[in-house]
Amino acid sequence: AQKVTQAQTEISVVEKEDVTLDCVYETRDTTYYLFWYKQPPSGELVFLIRRNSFDEQNEISGRYSWNFQKSTSSFNFTITASQVVDSAVYFCALSNGNKLVFGAGTILRVKS
Amino acid sequence: DAGVIQSPRHEVTEMGQEVTLRCKPISGHNSLFWYRQTMMRGLELLIYFNNNVPIDDSGMPEDRFSAKMPNASFSTLKIQPSEPRDSAVYFCASSLLAFSSYNEQFFGPGTRLTVL
Repeated sequence: AQKVTQAQTEISVVEKEDVTLDCVYETRDTTYYLFWYKQPPSGELVFLIRRNSFDEQNEISGRYSWNFQKSTSSFNFTITASQVVDSAVYFCALSNGNKLVFGAGTILRVKS
Repeated sequence: DAGVIQSPRHEVTEMGQEVTLRCKPISGHNSLFWYRQTMMRGLELLIYFNNNVPIDDSGMPEDRFSAKMPNASFSTLKIQPSEPRDSAVYFCASSLLAFSSYNEQFFGPGTRLTVL
């Protein structure tokens, strides 16, 4: 069975701090994709990144970076110099076939 | 380009009433997904369609729930009769390719359903 665990239920930081959101996944498949989505207070789900199981290169996009480690089945997300606008719920998800399996989400609160 | 469109955005109904949620996927997308989000259970996949055909409805909670996709640009999720425990935010999402893990899913704004 496939499973995604986001152990951090809620994180609070002060603006400009760096913060890392953890994601651990379980799958028996050799080919799969991992995703991160953001759900701001307005409620919609916004796609952030996709990673395939054969590409373990870290990725950086502005203040966002992702660390994929197959050996530990982890796909962690770091926000550098956090801003109040980063406050949201962040979901990690695993895909196999057509379906996405989501983690429970991590609530990030960035205080000014 | 318009994203995934859902209607209504908010629905308040009384227990026992029929509720119909509507979704228009992104034009050209071949997969459509219905999710339910609650505090207790998080994001759950209810059903998904590839090329208008239901592929997996194992997440549909019970026979009171049904979904249809009569054409590539429209889908409905119906609850009959509704119960208070159905109160949740229902999301529709679409992705470009059918039978592909590769594509990200694009989500609509959701319908917040309250059953009194």
